[in-house]
Amino acid sequence: DVKVTQSSRYLVKRTGEKVFLECVQDMDHENMFWYRQDPGLGLRLIYFSYDVKMKEKGDIPEGYSVSREKKERFSLILESASTNQTSMYLCASSRTGAANYGYTFGSGTRLTVV
Amino acid sequence: DAKTTQPTSMDCAEGRAANLPCNHSTISGNEYVYWYRQIHSQGPQYIIHGLKNNETNEMASLIITEDRKSSTLILPHATLRDTAVYYCIVRVGSSNTGKLIFGQGTTLQVKP
Repeated sequence: DVKVTQSSRYLVKRTGEKVFLECVQDMDHENMFWYRQDPGLGLRLIYFSYDVKMKEKGDIPEGYSVSREKKERFSLILESASTNQTSMYLCASSRTGAANYGYTFGSGTRLTVV
Repeated sequence: DAKTTQPTSMDCAEGRAANLPCNHSTISGNEYVYWYRQIHSQGPQYIIHGLKNNETNEMASLIITEDRKSSTLILPHATLRDTAVYYCIVRVGSSNTGKLIFGQGTTLQVKP
């Protein structure tokens, strides 16, 4: 069964910590995405990547960076975590030429910054 | 970017068809309509997508109007497990690398 795996289901970090959220997909997909989801605001795109070592900003990139050193892995980095980054983080992947393919999402990481 | 408008919430009786509408009046000719759903505390799940023609798969049917300005997702026999937030999304960008922009979705409550 193909899937997107996020390394942690729940995570609690302190303000100012550097936080890494890891996402791995086993479908050989070219495209990977990071979203955050907050009540009343829905899913918002943070960063995405179309290929290894490539990245593009989404709608809310401030305070985040990403890394894609290998095709299967896309990491979201919070350089200095703040309480307003408490959220549910969702990773997704899709195939290039994906007009005929859907996105596959991971189960999410619920991050709490205290 | 083409935007979508969906009702905030809907109810449906178990065993009946659930019809979820979506307006996308500014859709352009090469943009697809996608439907996803999100069950509480899980990641969104792909349901179906279409361009012009009606589509059906094991989960649902998608009816797109001839002018493509609106569509309807149909769950033919809703069950309690279909209770979820349903997102109608128009795919932006090139066909190779288009990103999905999620709106607020419709919260479907299936009742016994």
